[in-house]
Amino acid sequence: DTEVTQTPKHLVMGMTNKKSLKCEQHMGHRAMYWYKQKAKKPPELMFVYSYEKLSINESVPSRFSPECPNSSLLNLHLHALQPEDSALYLCASSPPGGGLSGNEQFFGPGTRLTVL
Amino acid sequence: AQRVTQPEKLLSVFKGAPVELKCNYSYSGSPELFWYVQYSRQRLQLLLRHISRESIKGFTADLNKGETSFHLKKPFAQEEDSAMYYCALSESDYKLSFGAGTTVTVRA
Repeated sequence: DTEVTQTPKHLVMGMTNKKSLKCEQHMGHRAMYWYKQKAKKPPELMFVYSYEKLSINESVPSRFSPECPNSSLLNLHLHALQPEDSALYLCASSPPGGGLSGNEQFFGPGTRLTVL
Repeated sequence: AQRVTQPEKLLSVFKGAPVELKCNYSYSGSPELFWYVQYSRQRLQLLLRHISRESIKGFTADLNKGETSFHLKKPFAQEEDSAMYYCALSESDYKLSFGAGTTVTVRA
């Protein structure tokens, strides 16, 4: 399996809802990432997990809560989101060493989130 | 601080014409640079990394440290090259700094 998978593909939620995004990879990668991407804009890094530990949090609001239950899974828990949080949420993974030494990040297809 | 600059937001070329996407970077150390591509309704994927010095789908990119550039070139554009292209700089462990992106349209 050489792909990063994400579920669901689409999610519509109200501002009072609690939902979760799921990401999975079976490539043996030990770094996993959450990005937020608005239309026609580059991805913005949100969180990085390295060896199942949170190593980077780019000052993301607490209404976004990441979780890495094991080396293959990454979740993003959502609560009390705002309409401006509507975006494509991308998950990525990379081999040990991250983006250095020519190691690439492998991206999932994303979850299209709409907050009403 | 803006690490990666892609000056062209949109680029339109005719099929068979050469295409060049500009990328300039700002980085004090030895840069690790990448080009990523996002085709319509497909996931973001790596196209090229400077360290490999390879040609993928006819595209090449050369790192010019003197001009701090990593421009992407293809001598003969194809319609399937129409996509959004992002230049990216590896700033540190795990952090990729993306440029604003260039949308390429190849006309028949």
